[in-house]
Amino acid sequence: AQKVTQAQTEISVVEKEDVTLDCVYETRDTTYYLFWYKQPPSGELVFLIRRNSFDEQNEISGRYSWNFQKSTSSFNFTITASQVVDSAVYFCALSEDRDDKIIFGKGTRLHILP
Amino acid sequence: NAGVTQTPKFQVLKTGQSMTLQCAQDMNHEYMSWYRQDPGMGLRLIHYSVGAGITDQGEVPNGYNVSRSTTEDFPLRLLSAAPSQTSVYFCASSYEGTPNTEAFFGQGTRLTVV
Repeated sequence: AQKVTQAQTEISVVEKEDVTLDCVYETRDTTYYLFWYKQPPSGELVFLIRRNSFDEQNEISGRYSWNFQKSTSSFNFTITASQVVDSAVYFCALSEDRDDKIIFGKGTRLHILP
Repeated sequence: NAGVTQTPKFQVLKTGQSMTLQCAQDMNHEYMSWYRQDPGMGLRLIHYSVGAGITDQGEVPNGYNVSRSTTEDFPLRLLSAAPSQTSVYFCASSYEGTPNTEAFFGQGTRLTVV
């Protein structure tokens, strides 16, 4: 069965520091999709990125970058030069091509301290 | 564009009462889903639908019913509310009839069962 583990429950860093959020997944499918979502204090859920299992290229979007490594079943998220507005709960998620369900990790609460 | 609309935003129920959480999307998305968010548990899938007339169970379906008579609407029914159903509920939709693309979430419904 598919599984997503976000081992870091809560992280605090000082503004401008870099921070990496870990995501480890389990799947038996060869075709699958990985996601990151952000939930700021206001409560809405915002899509950040989607990756399919055949695309291991790392992605960078401004201060955000994602490192996908099939060898370690990880899809980690790094924020460079963090800002207070990055404070949120971040969820990693996995869906399999052979299934119609998406499974979320338990989330990592990130505090950026001014 | 309205996107995904959930009503109500807040609700207090007494144990044993029934109610329906409404979810509507105006993006012609095939895939719709319901999640509950509890502290430390992340987002857990309750029920999902890959298209009108088709529904299926997620991780935590007990105590909830759904139907999908139209593409736009996906109501979630609590049959006999219990305190364990106190949670924040999110509805989401995706472009295709799978969860393998970006999900658009509603604003959430905060439900308290007393």
